[in-house]
Amino acid sequence: NAGVTQTPKFQVLKTGQSMTLQCAQDMNHEYMSWYRQDPGMGLRLIHYSVGAGITDQGEVPNGYNVSRSTTEDFPLRLLSAAPSQTSVYFCASSYGVATGQETQYFGPGTRLLVL
Amino acid sequence: AQKVTQAQTEISVVEKEDVTLDCVYETRDTTYYLFWYKQPPSGELVFLIRRNSFDEQNEISGRYSWNFQKSTSSFNFTITASQVVDSAVYFCALKAPPMDSNYQLIWGAGTKLIIKP
Repeated sequence: NAGVTQTPKFQVLKTGQSMTLQCAQDMNHEYMSWYRQDPGMGLRLIHYSVGAGITDQGEVPNGYNVSRSTTEDFPLRLLSAAPSQTSVYFCASSYGVATGQETQYFGPGTRLLVL
Repeated sequence: AQKVTQAQTEISVVEKEDVTLDCVYETRDTTYYLFWYKQPPSGELVFLIRRNSFDEQNEISGRYSWNFQKSTSSFNFTITASQVVDSAVYFCALKAPPMDSNYQLIWGAGTKLIIKP
């Protein structure tokens, strides 16, 4: 049971480049989400998904796209990278969404630097 | 609006001292959940505890204990006999039920805890 995995661990992009951050979980969790963490701040929700084929925007969705074709995978796409997107990105998954008692389990994070 | 405040940006104590991390939350929901996560220097986020709003019983897990008080909207975290390995950033978070929210965890800004040997 690998839990939540993220790739790559570290990425450097030039402004305007696009890329996909991968996230996968093997716990059959319904709910998956992407957060970004900036210095001195808590995590901010980018996008989330309550199940395969269903996604929605979080607090800071601009510049990012997501899709959820399978329960296991939830990739985050940066369409045209900007320096403001330099951050650490965390993917999370959880069970028990219907009851509200979900505990989110996080991947190890992807550190992104946009030059 | 929902909000989580961790007023202590950084705390530094000497090993074996007790330390309390404060968390104050705001919500209009009567049913909600509170969480604490630990982020060690390695960067991963480690789940510590989840507390339901209808359960105000304090919880102890080894050297960790949590004091939940609805009257003051606080969910404080105490580490007894701190150790160097406790050095990390600790986050408090709030979650309202699915029917009232967009599945978002509201995070505090975190408290950086430094345990000196």
